[in-house]
Amino acid sequence: TQLLEQSPQFLSIQEGENLTVYCNSSSVFSSLQWYRQEPGEGPVLLVTVVTGGEVKKLKRLTFQFGDARKDSSLHITAAQPGDTGLYLCAGSIPGNQFYFGTGTSLTVIP
Amino acid sequence: GAGVSQSPSNKVTEKGKDVELRCDPISGHTALYWYRQSLGQGLEFLIYFQGNSAPDKSGLPSDRFSAERTGGSVSTLTIQRTQQEDSAVYLCASSPSGYSNQPQHFGDGTRLSIL
Repeated sequence: TQLLEQSPQFLSIQEGENLTVYCNSSSVFSSLQWYRQEPGEGPVLLVTVVTGGEVKKLKRLTFQFGDARKDSSLHITAAQPGDTGLYLCAGSIPGNQFYFGTGTSLTVIP
Repeated sequence: GAGVSQSPSNKVTEKGKDVELRCDPISGHTALYWYRQSLGQGLEFLIYFQGNSAPDKSGLPSDRFSAERTGGSVSTLTIQRTQQEDSAVYLCASSPSGYSNQPQHFGDGTRLSIL
């Protein structure tokens, strides 16, 4: 059973388009992290959100944590080829074990 | 090096053999995690070490899997009597502490192939 479901699983868009990736669960998390992973490498942290309703911006990336701390979204504005990669959300529960989402593979076509 | 180091980077072995995967975390990091990742998929939690506390082994898929962390630093993940379904990338991550708002720093993984 997957605790965190991401959608879409695959996304292929043209450079300059906008996109949103969703991370949903029926469980409440004490914090949620977003990572990006490139082929042959480990995931790299993009952001951590800890407060329900929190919004964080990182250049063209906007992250939101749901009010109930059960879901999150990642919005990319004017996507660039360098945004290509596997995006992973990870939720933490008490005891500090992390559950990773199913992943969203993004391809930005020049 | 400054980052998490994993070895070997690739391992090919025959079904039924035992394998050992090594992880050198960032110096001073007290938390260490092992995950398994199938091609292009999300990460499956395996085991979590935090300081001197008993490890959280709840993610280990079978008793063929075990892990140790010696001296609060280097960790070894051992898979006995490997099966073809064990083929995956095994990722290790460390964190300054076990607090949930802290980043996990990942190694580049060990790609394990069972023939």
